[in-house]
Amino acid sequence: QQQVKQSPQSLIVQKGGISIINCAYENTAFDYFPWYQQFPGKGPALLIAIRPDVSEKKEGRFTISFNKSAKQFSLHIMDSQPGDSATYFCAASRSGFQKLVFGTGTRLLVSP
Amino acid sequence: KAGVTQTPRYLIKTRGQQVTLSCSPISGHRSVSWYQQTPGQGLQFLFEYFSETQRNKGNFPGRFSGRQFSNSRSEMNVSTLELGDSALYLCASSITDIADTQYFGPGTRLTVL
Repeated sequence: QQQVKQSPQSLIVQKGGISIINCAYENTAFDYFPWYQQFPGKGPALLIAIRPDVSEKKEGRFTISFNKSAKQFSLHIMDSQPGDSATYFCAASRSGFQKLVFGTGTRLLVSP
Repeated sequence: KAGVTQTPRYLIKTRGQQVTLSCSPISGHRSVSWYQQTPGQGLQFLFEYFSETQRNKGNFPGRFSGRQFSNSRSEMNVSTLELGDSALYLCASSITDIADTQYFGPGTRLTVL
């Protein structure tokens, strides 16, 4: 029940395309869903986060879509750029608890 | 404002030794969490400290321990190192124990030979 399943494991997108990464969770007590971006040799950096009271949140080129009934959420990167090439992790937690449960990560490569 | 800092950045130890890793949270942040990142297991929660008290602990053996000081700086200790402890150890800080946003440091890369 603590798992967060993430797919795909890797993704290649052309410059200017849309990158889509999906996550699914089981624990209905989760109510905070962040996405992190990690470059080699760096720690994860928070990209965008959502709570279940909204179905979509957009920040710049990054959008989270959230489907509470399906217990799924996804990250869309619009107009993908080579600089977006990194590993992306979805995560989930219960609000007020610092324990983040992470997905397994998606390695994104944006080809020029 | 300076980010989360971790020292050392790289560490090489041999089996059976012990190691102490240090984390300085963002100024004003009082909650510190630790995570282990490995290619096989991904990112896993180790423990969380707030106001010098451990509030939550992940599913790791007792060889993994930590503490937090009054200035919010935190250390984690791994005793009797095993080859499988080789990993990137990440520290994250947040303003309070109920704040959701966690900011990660660059990590300490531990290699156990």
